[in-house]
Amino acid sequence: QKEVEQDPGPLSVPEGAIVSLNCTYSNSAFQYFMWYRQYSRKGPELLMYTYSSGNKEDGRFTAQVDKSSKYISLFIRDSQPSDSATYLCAMSALGNQFYFGTGTSLTVIP
Amino acid sequence: DARVTQTPRHKVTEMGQEVTMRCQPILGHNTVFWYRQTMMQGLELLAYFRNRAPLDDSGMPKDRFSAEMPDATLATLKIQPSEPRDSAVYFCASGFLTDTQYFGPGTRLTVL
Repeated sequence: QKEVEQDPGPLSVPEGAIVSLNCTYSNSAFQYFMWYRQYSRKGPELLMYTYSSGNKEDGRFTAQVDKSSKYISLFIRDSQPSDSATYLCAMSALGNQFYFGTGTSLTVIP
Repeated sequence: DARVTQTPRHKVTEMGQEVTMRCQPILGHNTVFWYRQTMMQGLELLAYFRNRAPLDDSGMPKDRFSAEMPDATLATLKIQPSEPRDSAVYFCASGFLTDTQYFGPGTRLTVL
């Protein structure tokens, strides 16, 4: 079993839609949870960072962590064509390596 | 605007040749990671360093890959000899401890 599971998609939505991206994990020691956005032929860019459980909001983006279910989500409100990218979840326990999901490809259609 | 820099950005070489990729981490970051990304495998961790000391290089083929940090401002990843299956994008990332990390733009390697 992989440490982190992420549905690769692809996911295609109309502009303005709410997008939900999800990852599950197996290691209960994970405390740090991140979402990265990767545009084609670019490096991953840190989008959201959350410590432990709870929600974090930044503009149109909301990250949720449910440690009891070992489940994290990223919501994008009012999605824009510029949000079209691959989204990678990542997580770690302090002092250890990061574990990445395989990424979900998102296309927002104008 | 602090960024991780990587050189070269693109490299085309022939099988059997040595390839060296360089990374300058963000000033003040004490942890450096090397990843390889392919369509098939996604992002794979090759090695990572903390305070210039290697902590984990289990993801790296030891017979041909080597990673070093000669000083706090430079990390290198070397492949010798290179093979076509090494063709991928290689990313360097840096962070402080491991609460998060920031990626460089990558080196796109093609081995013919």
